[in-house]
Amino acid sequence: GAGVSQSPSNKVTEKGKDVELRCDPISGHTALYWYRQSLGQGLEFLIYFQGNSAPDKSGLPSDRFSAERTGGSVSTLTIQRTQQEDSAVYLCASILQGLNTEAFFGQGTRLTVV
Amino acid sequence: AQSVAQPEDQVNVAEGNPLTVKCTYSVSGNPYLFWYVQYPNRGLQFLLKYITGDNLVKGSYGFEAEFNKSQTSFHLKKPSALVSDSALYFCAVRDRRFNKFYFGSGTKLNVKP
Repeated sequence: GAGVSQSPSNKVTEKGKDVELRCDPISGHTALYWYRQSLGQGLEFLIYFQGNSAPDKSGLPSDRFSAERTGGSVSTLTIQRTQQEDSAVYLCASILQGLNTEAFFGQGTRLTVV
Repeated sequence: AQSVAQPEDQVNVAEGNPLTVKCTYSVSGNPYLFWYVQYPNRGLQFLLKYITGDNLVKGSYGFEAEFNKSQTSFHLKKPSALVSDSALYFCAVRDRRFNKFYFGSGTKLNVKP
């Protein structure tokens, strides 16, 4: 596609439920990031996929969070047993690895845990 | 540890005045440097980048940024601010070895008419 696509754009879920957030990167981009942004705040790094290398999971806040990237393209961020503090905007970015290019961001998924 | 600092949570400037949003970094090697802007309820939009060459780079919407290697800074500037420039601005650094992005905490720019 023309840009990074994230779905859903908004998600309201009950505390304790599992959620899946999807990111479709720009075709051909080999690196993909997930970030979390609380209301009006900075970006919190979650996880980084780079080509076929093992992902950098150092930013995942707990073992309730996991992510995968299938076929080097689409990525899914899963949050199990959601808590109210998980409420935030989850941003995905993709990069054409190996070149001095910028990251391209999706519009984000606003997650609200009630 | 690698880090990017934006020392000001908020910058207030009057329309028509020059603006500066500060960024310093501590990332090994000669990283690539970026500025992004985020409008309310939107994703981040790329403004400009420094890769190599001239220390003053020009970007979208009349913004420019000045790279200073000795001070490891990359301050964002604009000669004449507009009310529509009011937004959240993020500095980012990409290290050349691992190609990992590091973001600052963001600076909220308020331009008053």
